[in-house]
Amino acid sequence: NAGVTQTPKFQVLKTGQSMTLQCAQDMNHEYMSWYRQDPGMGLRLIHYSVGAGITDQGEVPNGYNVSRSTTEDFPLRLLSAAPSQTSVYFCASSYSRDLILDTQYFGPGTRLTVL
Amino acid sequence: RKEVEQDPGPFNVPEGATVAFNCTYSNSASQSFFWYRQDCRKEPKLLMSVYSSGNEDGRFTAQLNRASQYISLLIRDSKLSDSATYLCVPLRDDKIIFGKGTRLHILP
Repeated sequence: NAGVTQTPKFQVLKTGQSMTLQCAQDMNHEYMSWYRQDPGMGLRLIHYSVGAGITDQGEVPNGYNVSRSTTEDFPLRLLSAAPSQTSVYFCASSYSRDLILDTQYFGPGTRLTVL
Repeated sequence: RKEVEQDPGPFNVPEGATVAFNCTYSNSASQSFFWYRQDCRKEPKLLMSVYSSGNEDGRFTAQLNRASQYISLLIRDSKLSDSATYLCVPLRDDKIIFGKGTRLHILP
């Protein structure tokens, strides 16, 4: 198993550009989520999905869109990048939303800089 | 009051020593707790879950004090490879809250 993979590893954007951060998992996990991590801050939940076709907002969803057309993939879209979106983005997955029973696995992260 | 508070450190500890750090949480409805480890510029990884009765995994011991609303992590016989940031993570109503982490440096 490759686990949770994210692409790209690094990205530089100009303000107003759009892009999609890719996340894929090959563990047949139903629950997937996106976090951002800023210096001196804990990880903050952006969006999550409990299964294909189902997504919901997390703590900081503004400026981001997600979709879940397959169990494996959970892309994160920035429609019009802003400097405030400069951050490290982590995708995570677990078998279910019950994190008491199921371990959450994180991808290696995407480091995004918006100029 | 923040939902999760941790001393950011860094804790600079000589190799072989014992180190402990706490995390306080504000919401008494938090049901479960975890410690995650995050190496520099890497993703977080689950270190251990924290059970009401406390639990031990090798050199690591986690304790939960619900009355005072804190959890602790004790590392015995610390190794250079223990250098990392340790994230305290309460879970409440399927919502997982990450603390900012405590940085630990093990000195040779």
